[in-house]
Amino acid sequence: EVQLVESGGGLVQPGGSLRLSCAASGFTFSSYWMYWVRQAPGKGLVWVSRINSDGSSRGYADSVKGRFTISRDNAKSTLYLEMNSLRAEDTAVYYCAGPYGVNAFDFWGQGTMVTVSS
Amino acid sequence: QSALTQPASVSGSPGQSITISCTGTSSDVGSYNFVSWYQQHPGKAPKLMISEGSKRPSGISSRFSGSKSGNTASLTISGLQAEDEADYYCCSYAGSNTWVFGGGTKLTVL
Repeated sequence: EVQLVESGGGLVQPGGSLRLSCAASGFTFSSYWMYWVRQAPGKGLVWVSRINSDGSSRGYADSVKGRFTISRDNAKSTLYLEMNSLRAEDTAVYYCAGPYGVNAFDFWGQGTMVTVSS
Repeated sequence: QSALTQPASVSGSPGQSITISCTGTSSDVGSYNFVSWYQQHPGKAPKLMISEGSKRPSGISSRFSGSKSGNTASLTISGLQAEDEADYYCCSYAGSNTWVFGGGTKLTVL
């Protein structure tokens, strides 16, 4: 059974940094692309970032490009999202998603809340 | 990376059918057969209902179906049930390994 468990969210001041983690199990993590999707309170879903199976290729939404870095540790079956220069508009629940969908997000974690506020 | 356009809300009575539209552009919905649909109940993670425009993952009821015409994709739910009340989001591959979601549609079962 695929399980994705996010952690690392919390309250951070504007301009601060945070690293999210997503522990994966139930599938061969190293074989699949993985994704981050976020949802601001009361708002819709927004794709944030993606990484290929070996971590050699990464992509970002324009809104986070240059500030966020996606990475993975296939030995630990864990996905990461390093977030720097955080802004109030980055406040959201962050979900990791994957792995089998063909340009679709077939499994989701429970999400971790990030609040950027002074 | 502009969001796809969905109606803010739709409603229907139990047993009826409803359709939710999702309008994009020739750069996303119109160019790829990779529209997916997600159901989200309050406080829960999204759930994949349709992928690749019209494919239902294992365990998803046949009451859910997807289609596309030009730059507009649609999700149809037939035989509405109370548990279908939720938010629904479309998503399209937009090229260059990027994806774009719609703004979401709140479905109310009357």
